[in-house]
Formats: sequence, structure tokens, C-alpha cells
Amino acid sequence: GQQVMQIPQYQHVQEGEDFTTYCNSSTTLSNIQWYKQRPGGHPVFLIQLVKSGEVKKQKRLTFQFGEAKKNSSLHITATQTTDVGTYFCAGRSNTNAGKSTFGDGTTLTVKP
Amino acid sequence: DGGITQSPKYLFRKEGQNVTLSCEQNLNHDAMYWYRQDPGQGLRLIYYSQIVNDFQKGDIAEGYSVSREKKESFPLTVTSAQKNPTAFYLCASKTSGGAGETQYFGPGTRLLVL
Repeated sequence: GQQVMQIPQYQHVQEGEDFTTYCNSSTTLSNIQWYKQRPGGHPVFLIQLVKSGEVKKQKRLTFQFGEAKKNSSLHITATQTTDVGTYFCAGRSNTNAGKSTFGDGTTLTVKP
Repeated sequence: DGGITQSPKYLFRKEGQNVTLSCEQNLNHDAMYWYRQDPGQGLRLIYYSQIVNDFQKGDIAEGYSVSREKKESFPLTVTSAQKNPTAFYLCASKTSGGAGETQYFGPGTRLLVL
């Protein structure tokens, strides 16, 4: 079945440093979503990417979707303590209509 | 005030006991999902339903059961057949059709087996 892998599993940064998490799918995706889960909370939707090579920005966050639609990345510029949490990608392939497969997430900690 | 509610927030179960977790949404979403999250891990799909009176098994359905008698409700029963039920359970919903895949999550239920 479809597998979605995320790396790294954990990332510790000093406040102000950049952060990147990568998401790789075993199958071609029709779309990919990114979610953020704060400690003790539930996942909250950040963004969806649909087109090959798509790049979207939200303030300090930059999301990319690969040309082959099998990988994606989330980059945070100049991290802040409010960025702490676990970032998940979730991808839907054309053969899995109705459900998305989540990666295991990257947990970011930021040292002030 | 629209959203997804889950109850209870914490649930304790004795071994051999069935328990039911509630999930209600007033977003008029067609699709609903149940996920299990273990400490430090990602979300694993238990069951999902794309329309009333229909549901499909996810990746880890064994030991669980669901029903979808109403559009707004998708309860999950953790049966005694689930040997390791202690986990954080998340319910989500989304509109079906089109390119929109945004899932809206409830606050979750933490289940602990005594």
C-alpha cells in the first residue's frame, strides 16, 4: 500500500535558525496537505498543494510540491518558540480515493 | 459555532470492556475519519466513512467498530478484541468531492486501559 515517510523525526533548533522537514511518498500523489499539532493538541490544517512544482508561502513558512508529485517540503525561516510542535504531511494518491495517508511527523523544538 | 466535538476527553477502560467514543460535527461534511495516535507517532487510520450508512476499514481496523447512521455522527467502539487500546483517538471530517482534502480534527479522546 501507499507509504508516506517524513524526515527527520526530530529537529532541535536555536530560535532564529531555519527548519526544514521533508515528505516522500511511495506513489504519485494527487495532492498533499500539511498539518501542525501543538503538544497536547490536535492537528490543524496549514495548507494544501495540488499542482506539480507548486510553491506556496505563509509568512515564514514555505511549502513545495515536487515536480513528480511524490515529495514535498516545509521550510520555516527564522524559527520562533511559537513554531514548536509536530508537523505532518498527508498525501492522497489517485488509487486511494477518500483517504489520505499521514507521515509520522517531524517534531520541532525551539530553544530560546 | 461550527466544529467537531469529541467526548469524553479522557476515558478509562477495564480489560475486557467495550467502550464507545463519540464524534459529532455540525460542518455538514460528508466524510468522517477515525485515527489512532500513539506517543511520538503519526496518525493511523482506523475507519472512515464517505457517506451516511457506509464506511470502510482503514489500516488498523481490527478490534474496532463504527456506525454512520447520521451525517453528523460517527461513533467508534473499541472492543475487547483490541489488545492494546491505550492511545489518543482523533476524529476528523471533510467535505467530499473536488480537490479539497482539508480535514478538520476534533480535540481527541485519550483512552487508558486500567
